[in-house]
Amino acid sequence: EPEVTQTPSHQVTQMGQEVILRCVPISNHLYFYWYRQILGQKVEFLVSFYNNEISEKSEIFDDQFSVERPDGSNFTLKIRSTKLEDSAMYFCASSDLDNPNTDTQYFGPGTRLTVL
Amino acid sequence: ILNVEQSPQSLHVQEGDSTNFTCSFPSSNFYALHWYRWETAKSPEALFVMTLNGDEKKKGRISATLNTKEGYSYLYIKGSQPEDSATYLCAANTGNQFYFGTGTSLTVIP
Repeated sequence: EPEVTQTPSHQVTQMGQEVILRCVPISNHLYFYWYRQILGQKVEFLVSFYNNEISEKSEIFDDQFSVERPDGSNFTLKIRSTKLEDSAMYFCASSDLDNPNTDTQYFGPGTRLTVL
Repeated sequence: ILNVEQSPQSLHVQEGDSTNFTCSFPSSNFYALHWYRWETAKSPEALFVMTLNGDEKKKGRISATLNTKEGYSYLYIKGSQPEDSATYLCAANTGNQFYFGTGTSLTVIP
């Protein structure tokens, strides 16, 4: 069964460094999403992406964050200058229809980002 | 920001018991309600997406109902099995963003 994959599973970085989290969505899916969960807190929506551009973004998704689909398969989240509070589990998801609000989303296993 | 609440936070039931838990959300700006099942060390798995008031969805022993006027959804599990042990997460969509609850952690004791 097709699945969303994410790499790396765990990323440790120094404060102020740039990190790129990678996701490979399910191949025929059209919408892509990033979420994060800080330890002990709720899962938070970051951004949705469709047709090579951001569809929606939350207040969390400020200028430090960017997303890109550099080729036909990868979907990346870049954090330009990491802060301690960026430490979280980051999840990628994808969906296959054209309504991001009601489509079933398929989640990847997550990347745990630790900022020291 | 939409405040989505789930209760209880955790639940322990005996194998064979039926159980239910609640997801509450503000009824204004509501578009859709998603339920997920999330096992430890795995990805959240989509269970249901509901949009209409009175919607009822079923998948095997798990079912869910939606009341958009009063802002809640119930998830029911009939005859709980140990493999149902997981965190059950709901997320409300406002038409552009998703807001998650904290989840209900279910443990089914054999």
